[in-house]
Amino acid sequence: SQQGEEDPQALSIQEGENATMNCSYKTSINNLQWYRQNSGRGLVHLILIRSNEREKHSGRLRVTLDTSKKSSSLLITASRAADTASYFCATDGGSNYKLTFGKGTLLTVNP
Amino acid sequence: NAGVTQTPKFQVLKTGQSMTLQCAQDMNHNSMYWYRQDPGMGLRLIYYSASEGTTDKGEVPNGYNVSRLNKREFSLRLESAAPSQTSVYFCASSLGQGGGYTFGSGTRLTVV
Repeated sequence: SQQGEEDPQALSIQEGENATMNCSYKTSINNLQWYRQNSGRGLVHLILIRSNEREKHSGRLRVTLDTSKKSSSLLITASRAADTASYFCATDGGSNYKLTFGKGTLLTVNP
Repeated sequence: NAGVTQTPKFQVLKTGQSMTLQCAQDMNHNSMYWYRQDPGMGLRLIYYSASEGTTDKGEVPNGYNVSRLNKREFSLRLESAAPSQTSVYFCASSLGQGGGYTFGSGTRLTVV
């Protein structure tokens, strides 16, 4: 069963706009991670946020975590066509050794 | 280049044939993983190895076996391939203890 579920399933925006994706999960976690996957490629790790953190930034990425609501959001600011990809959240379900991935959000950034 | 290397990149099998997918990492990572990715299903964990010498089942282990050959290599074997095993297979590695994963580029397997 999927631990994390992303919302929306697909998102289409114009270059320069911000993109927000959400992730909900079911059980307690040690950390939550976000990954990007370009078409036909492997996943690339973007950012990790620990359960005792509420917000984290990396370049144009901002991740928030609300453990009381079991949810996270990924914000990409000033999006570019190169940001077109699928984005996945992954949770560890309290384990230090394995991640469970959601089904992903397909982001399309139109030039 | 440092990273996770998977071979082969593409494979077509007939039902009932066997094959081994190879994975090697050169980052001195402790933990390694095999996932499969199907349309609309996201990534599902098949097997993982938390450290050299250990392997454990993931969410969808049936029809697969694994071998952690050494710290660098983690192979996935299909003993008798079935059309339901048509998928894209990804190997990944991590330091463990909750760190981020590094993924290979995937093996696209078709079973006819």
